[in-house]
Amino acid sequence: GQNIDQPTEMTATEGAIVQINCTYQTSGFNGLFWYQQHAGEAPTFLSYNVLDGLEEKGRFSSFLSRSKGYSYLLLKELQMKDSASYLCAVRDSNYQLIWGAGTKLIIKP
Amino acid sequence: ETGVTQTPRHLVMGMTNKKSLKCEQHLGHNAMYWYKQSAKKPLELMFVYSLEERVENNSVPSRFSPECPNSSHLFLHLHTLQPEDSALYLCASSQTENTEAFFGQGTRLTVV
Repeated sequence: GQNIDQPTEMTATEGAIVQINCTYQTSGFNGLFWYQQHAGEAPTFLSYNVLDGLEEKGRFSSFLSRSKGYSYLLLKELQMKDSASYLCAVRDSNYQLIWGAGTKLIIKP
Repeated sequence: ETGVTQTPRHLVMGMTNKKSLKCEQHLGHNAMYWYKQSAKKPLELMFVYSLEERVENNSVPSRFSPECPNSSHLFLHLHTLQPEDSALYLCASSQTENTEAFFGQGTRLTVV
């Protein structure tokens, strides 16, 4: 079966750096997405990786290793507003999006 | 108005009721989706429409009935739901089926 694994919850301190991991087993691979979802709000697109390596976008970076079935989202200079759930999703060979259950990130002052 | 808009934001309905969820996108996208989001579970894709034609129906019970009258509007008709259908229902759209999705705020549905 197809599966996306990410930690259920993480806690970090304001101003620090946090890395949220995502591992996947899917039938084929056509890209990996990260979304941010604040409580009670819509998921919003953060990043897309289809080739190996690091994609940087301001305070957020996303890394992909296709051979390891692994990605991470790196958040730097954490702010209180970064408290949210972070969703990892992989597009399989049929271009279906397979979603992880999300990682709830709690930022403490 | 821009983005993806869903109405209503909250809905409480009895098991014998019939109601409809509405989604409208102002992005000129060609694909629209219905997802179900339950607490601590992955997003579940329910239906996909591409160019107003249904291309995906992921074994969703017939008490959920989608309708896509044009490329900007998507409905989810609900009837004789069960309490376990209580969840957040999210609509999304994308330029094509292969590009990133933009989500609406969702409808928080409670079946009593």
